[in-house]
Amino acid sequence: QQPVQSPQAVILREGEDAVINCSSSKALYSVHWYRQKHGEAPVFLMILLKGGEQKGHEKISASFNEKKQQSSLYLTASQLSYSGTYFCGTEGGAQKLVFGQGTRLTINP
Amino acid sequence: NAGVTQTPKFRILKIGQSMTLQCAQDMNHNYMYWYRQDPGMGLKLIYYSVGAGITDKGEVPNGYNVSRSTTEYFPLRLELAAPSQTSVYFCASSYSRGPARVNTEAFFGQGTRLTVV
Repeated sequence: QQPVQSPQAVILREGEDAVINCSSSKALYSVHWYRQKHGEAPVFLMILLKGGEQKGHEKISASFNEKKQQSSLYLTASQLSYSGTYFCGTEGGAQKLVFGQGTRLTINP
Repeated sequence: NAGVTQTPKFRILKIGQSMTLQCAQDMNHNYMYWYRQDPGMGLKLIYYSVGAGITDKGEVPNGYNVSRSTTEYFPLRLELAAPSQTSVYFCASSYSRGPARVNTEAFFGQGTRLTVV
């Protein structure tokens, strides 16, 4: 069952912050976050595991609420290079990685 | 390392034709996935495999078949192509870790852009 992302699209000015949310109706083992630039393949950003382990980038971080099956991706002091579509991927068992519908982020100068 | 390699990059098929999309990875990953991405949409899981000889259906398996005889290769077969199969197809791989065999980061190929006319 696909996770649900919100919002569907965000437009920011450079330097502003953004939050992208991801929720699932199933209990989750892990949540992945990926960014896709137009015409390219998705690229891994970070993974959050049940139990709290986390990887991240410098100005991009995420949280994982296991009880609520929700994750949020935080982009601080956004840069033009952050533009793209962000996908959360969830693993709820059976080693199956399914993705949300994506959040399109546009950063304007 | 090449990572995940998909061939071909582009293909035009006529309705009713068949073809195989190739995917190879050189990272010794046990998990492999096939996704399709329609224009402006998310990634839909077609089939996945947790190891050689083991495959399972994803969210949208109808019209496709897979096989995985080795760790490296995971081809996707389209039988009787239909316009609804026009899409970009991504292959991905990852490995599992820990007693729960949780996925680690997935590496994606560059995609195959398929048009069925």
